[in-house]
Amino acid sequence: AQSVTQPDIHITVSEGASLELRCNYSYGATPYLFWYVQSPGQGLQLLLKYFSGDTLVQGIKGFEAEFKRSQSSFNLRKPSVHWSDAAEYFCAVAPSGYSTLTFGKGTMLLVSP
Amino acid sequence: DVKVTQSSRYLVKRTGEKVFLECVQDMDHENMFWYRQDPGLGLRLIYFSYDVKMKEKGDIPEGYSVSREKKERFSLILESASTNQTSMYLCASRPRDNPETQYFGPGTRLLVL
Repeated sequence: AQSVTQPDIHITVSEGASLELRCNYSYGATPYLFWYVQSPGQGLQLLLKYFSGDTLVQGIKGFEAEFKRSQSSFNLRKPSVHWSDAAEYFCAVAPSGYSTLTFGKGTMLLVSP
Repeated sequence: DVKVTQSSRYLVKRTGEKVFLECVQDMDHENMFWYRQDPGLGLRLIYFSYDVKMKEKGDIPEGYSVSREKKERFSLILESASTNQTSMYLCASRPRDNPETQYFGPGTRLLVL
């Protein structure tokens, strides 16, 4: 069975600084990979997804993620964080587009002024 | 815009009560899901459904059941609520022909006393 690890429970970043959230997965083949964001009191919103092709994927709100097969990683990045980015971020994996998602435990992003 | 709605944002119930959580989606999606979200544990899949009257157990189905009598509605049932079912419950849906994108409702925060 696949699994997802988000090593950082909390991360604090200054507004305007760059951000990288880590995600490692365990799966035999290349899975489908996702990043979701959950703002306070809201459901989850899809930021971006990767299935194949270019290993650098662009998402909404200025986020991008890079798939590295050799490291089994799919890290989320943003060059300049805004206060509105404060939220919880979830990485998810699925063996195929038709499978159920397995979520990581989430990383809470705090943005300091 | 896809809309997934959940009948209540907050719910307080007593131990032993039968609890119904309702989820409705307005985009004719075939697939629907129920998750619970707990701090430090991320999202865990309770049940899912690929079509009307179909249901599949997820990772943590114990103590829950579901009902899908109509395509747009997926109900989660706690037959006899217990305090360890206090949690945030999230519903999601996705279309069969574009299964990579899953849409989430805002969640129901359930407190069992």
